[in-house]
Amino acid sequence: ETGVTQSPTHLIKTRGQQVTLRCSSQSGHNTVSWYQQALGQGPQFIFQYYREEENGRGNFPPRFSGLQFPNYSSELNVNALELDDSALYLCASSLNRDQPQHFGDGTRLSIL
Amino acid sequence: AQSVTQPDIHITVSEGASLELRCNYSYGATPYLFWYVQSPGQGLQLLLKYFSGDTLVQGIKGFEAEFKRSQSSFNLRKPSVHWSDAAEYFCAVAPANQAGTALIFGKGTTLSVSS
Repeated sequence: ETGVTQSPTHLIKTRGQQVTLRCSSQSGHNTVSWYQQALGQGPQFIFQYYREEENGRGNFPPRFSGLQFPNYSSELNVNALELDDSALYLCASSLNRDQPQHFGDGTRLSIL
Repeated sequence: AQSVTQPDIHITVSEGASLELRCNYSYGATPYLFWYVQSPGQGLQLLLKYFSGDTLVQGIKGFEAEFKRSQSSFNLRKPSVHWSDAAEYFCAVAPANQAGTALIFGKGTTLSVSS
């Protein structure tokens, strides 16, 4: 069984640029969540998609947006990058909204 | 406000010694409770979960956790620590019946294992 996979592994951008991070959920999982983990902190919830619809959002500005595709893979888009956006971005999928989440290894985003 | 507190930022344990990592939560009702482990440069791996029923839950890698409603705690334990257990440990909560929704994490406890 293939787990959650994220790409790319690492990414370097400059302030003001835009970035797209990708996530392939675990087979059969219809729910995908994205988290931001700053250095030395626990992950913080950005948003969740359930069957291609946004199903909840954390305290992040609108420049953080996402998509979920019919195959349940997902994208996280961040516009107008700021230095504070430097973090590990984690994707997690679950079989359904009442099942535990399984995480990928993350994308390390560095903003210069 | 809903929150998770892990009082210990860093713990060092000798190999073979027992381990207890503390977790306290603040939530309106009894939530679902989780422990995740993160090795350097990796994502989070689910160690165990509590949904309901027996308050002592068993997880992978020999870990267990005990839910104490009166203390709003969900402490993680292991009887004998191995060097490979060195990692970052996170306690998390989610609304009951919604384990797949927004998880609220603590700030984590770093475990070091000395020989």
